[in-house]
Parts: sequence; structure tokens; C-alpha cells
Amino acid sequence: DIQMTQSPSSLSPSVGDRVTITCQASRDIGKYLNWYQKKPGKAPNLLIYDASNLEAGVPSRFSGSGSGTDFTFTISSLQPEDIATYYCQQYDNLPITFGQGTRLDI
Amino acid sequence: EVQLLESGGDLVQPGGSLRLSCAASGFNFSNYAMTWVRQAPGKGLEWFAAIVASGRGTYYTDSVRGRFTLSRDNSRNTLYLQMNSLRAADTALYFCAKGTLNTYFSPLDSWGQGIFVTVSS
Repeated sequence: DIQMTQSPSSLSPSVGDRVTITCQASRDIGKYLNWYQKKPGKAPNLLIYDASNLEAGVPSRFSGSGSGTDFTFTISSLQPEDIATYYCQQYDNLPITFGQGTRLDI
Repeated sequence: EVQLLESGGDLVQPGGSLRLSCAASGFNFSNYAMTWVRQAPGKGLEWFAAIVASGRGTYYTDSVRGRFTLSRDNSRNTLYLQMNSLRAADTALYFCAKGTLNTYFSPLDSWGQGIFVTVSS
């Protein structure tokens, strides 16, 4: 199985901060990498697909980059509604796997 | 608007069975692969089963293979997850999700709100 390692596991940013989360795959996955936002009691929400493509309706402060084994997810200016846990997910190989998540707390 | 609504969650004893359903609307259900993802209490997301649009292909992770069976009725726009030999480790919030393509290998762009399954004596 491909292991996805996110860093950091948690963050305590302030509103307006630039937030960066990294995700490393245990082997090359090309650009088959998605980012999801998960709030307590809510369904996960797809933000970024294919490493860098913004899903329709998602604010432009969210972005992604990377390929191969190293990926980055950025929130350019944190808003209060962005407090959530963020997960990367590879879909290059079965089984599809998620990172362990990065929790943002204010 | 795409809607996915899970049902069938319950408290069940270890070794017991349960069938979850996911009713879909707002899109052409028979054109898309569907997936189940779960989240155990205090844990992260786990992708564990998927089915292609026709229903003739399924995939399961090792954690559920041989115990869970995924099926779909495209005439009823409904996805089913039959769960047998349930274990405490299966306790989780279960989500059904729609892929963007008819393949296991696609982002999940719509999700249900989730349904709880608790396995305990």
C-alpha cells in the first residue's frame, strides 16, 4: 500500500496567516493527489484534485502543488471558516489511501 | 443538486450483520463509480470499498475483504453495503461518496452526511 504522510499533524494559526501543509507519498504517484477538508459532523469536501486543480466553487485562497512524492497544500490567508482537518489522498494505486490528517485549531 | 443519503446504521453486537444503504439523487447514478469511506472515533479517513458503475467490479481493502459486500441497484439509484462478522474495529461513521468518473481512480466530489455504526456488546 502507498503510505501518505502529512506534516504537521496539527497547527494553531491566526486569522490571516498563510498556512502550508505537506504530504509525502511512499512512492511516485504522479499528480494523482487530492486534498479534502473535513469539519466535525460534516461530510468531507473536495478542495483540490490532481494535485493543483481547484474544485469548482472552492475559494481561490486554497491551492495545491507538487508531483511525484512531494505535495503542498496552501491557504493563502486563513479565514475562521477554514478551521477543520485537512487530508491528502492518493488515487494512483489501490488501495486508495489518505494521509493521517492535519488539524487546524485557532 | 447531488444528494447522497446513507441509512441503516445501528448498534450491533460483535459477529453481527448490518446493511447500509446510500440513496442517490441529482445525477446519473448509473454512470459513476461509488465508494465507501469510514472514520473511526478520533481517527482519520479510511477508504475501504468501491464499485464501478455497472456493479460488475468491486474492490475491498484487506480490513473488510471477505466480510463486507458492496452492490448497487442502478434502477433504484441506491448503493448497498452488506457488513457481516462485524468487529469492534468496524465502529465508525460511514460515508458513501461519488467519484468523478466510472473508475475507482477518481476524486470523490460528493459525499453523504454519514451514518454511525457501533459494534459493541
